[in-house]
Amino acid sequence: DAGITQSPRHKVTETGTPVTLRCHQTENHRYMYWYRQDPGHGLRLIHYSYGVKDTDKGEVSDGYSVSRSKTEDFLLTLESATSSQTSVYFCAISGNRGAQTDTQYFGPGTRLTVL
Amino acid sequence: SQQGEEDPQALSIQEGENATMNCSYKTSINNLQWYRQNSGRGLVHLILIRSNEREKHSGRLRVTLDTSKKSSSLLITASRAADTASYFCATPHNAGNMLTFGGGTRLMVKP
Repeated sequence: DAGITQSPRHKVTETGTPVTLRCHQTENHRYMYWYRQDPGHGLRLIHYSYGVKDTDKGEVSDGYSVSRSKTEDFLLTLESATSSQTSVYFCAISGNRGAQTDTQYFGPGTRLTVL
Repeated sequence: SQQGEEDPQALSIQEGENATMNCSYKTSINNLQWYRQNSGRGLVHLILIRSNEREKHSGRLRVTLDTSKKSSSLLITASRAADTASYFCATPHNAGNMLTFGGGTRLMVKP
């Protein structure tokens, strides 16, 4: 398995509270991604990073922000959680070639419930 | 919106049978990837097929790609209970290293 971990693995929070999810990699991969997975929608890209301090929006970025101050860490923040953000969140990494054929390696996921 | 759409959404077979899943996509691509997701786990890469390849094998997996029909299929031969999982196709986004995933096929292999 690629060296990629997510924390926390499970979180229950209340509407309106801020939440930060962490993705940590030991592979020194350049690219990192945050996805959410919901029934009927598959995986949808929230934000991604192509280097330290270099990030960009994905398909469903509203209500989320990210930061990457070190190669190994990619943080996803929900500034004010809403019930629609209840989901399973996956972090992924991919290699340094910048090629469209790069494989993505996924973390174990974080199950977030917003009450 | 999803670039890839898998069909069927769910498939239930007996151990030893073959399982076929299909993926259709909308825009031109230069490769297509298949991933597996076991329940409660992250996705795991299975195989990549390039646009100049029509068929590719990896163990019990056979993937085909028909760029004229914008479709791909994943065949798992002699299925096992351990193959029970969801299977996703993924195509490159129009920019860089991003992938767009389909909704997945849930495969159940009964012992």
